[in-house]
Amino acid sequence: GEDVEQSLFLSVREGDSSVINCTYTDSSSTYLYWYKQEPGAGLQLLTYIFSNMDMKQDQRLTVLLNKKDKHLSLRIADTQTGDSAIYFCAESSYSSASKIIFGSGTRLSIRP
Amino acid sequence: NAGVTQTPKFQVLKTGQSMTLQCAQDMNHNSMYWYRQDPGMGLRLIYYSASEGTTDKGEVPNGYNVSRLNKREFSLRLESAAPSQTSVYFCASSDLGLAEGDTQYFGPGTRLTVL
Repeated sequence: GEDVEQSLFLSVREGDSSVINCTYTDSSSTYLYWYKQEPGAGLQLLTYIFSNMDMKQDQRLTVLLNKKDKHLSLRIADTQTGDSAIYFCAESSYSSASKIIFGSGTRLSIRP
Repeated sequence: NAGVTQTPKFQVLKTGQSMTLQCAQDMNHNSMYWYRQDPGMGLRLIYYSASEGTTDKGEVPNGYNVSRLNKREFSLRLESAAPSQTSVYFCASSDLGLAEGDTQYFGPGTRLTVL
């Protein structure tokens, strides 16, 4: 079945760039998402990319998609303490209708 | 405009008890979803409702039932709670449905413990 994998933890120094990586197995994935979850809160959609795109940039966020390798990454430039959260990669496809598959999340911590 | 609201925020049940988790959205969205989140795992879809009057099973529907009461409200019922259902439950809504790449809006979650 479909699967989405992420590393569980990432620690970066404040001001540096953070790169969170994700791999997925569904070759028919249509949309790939990045969600942010702050402590005690629900998930907040940060950005998403359509599968025919290679890159999407939105202010400090850059999403890169390598469809051949089924690899998605989220780069956060100039990481701030407010970026501390769990980041979830997710994918959906027309073949899965309304089903969205989430990764297990990457906990990003910021060092001073 | 409150977005997606869930009640209760916390609940402790004994094995075998029943309860209903409530969810409401005020964004006039067509689709609503129930997920559970367990430690070290991503969210898993329990049930979803693509439109008022329809419901479908997700990845982990066993032990749950849902009701799409109207366009605004989507409830999740545990008929006979089990410790394996200890989790954080999130409700979400979207306008078009996930296959359209539409934004999902999440509620704050209900933390359920079953003893």
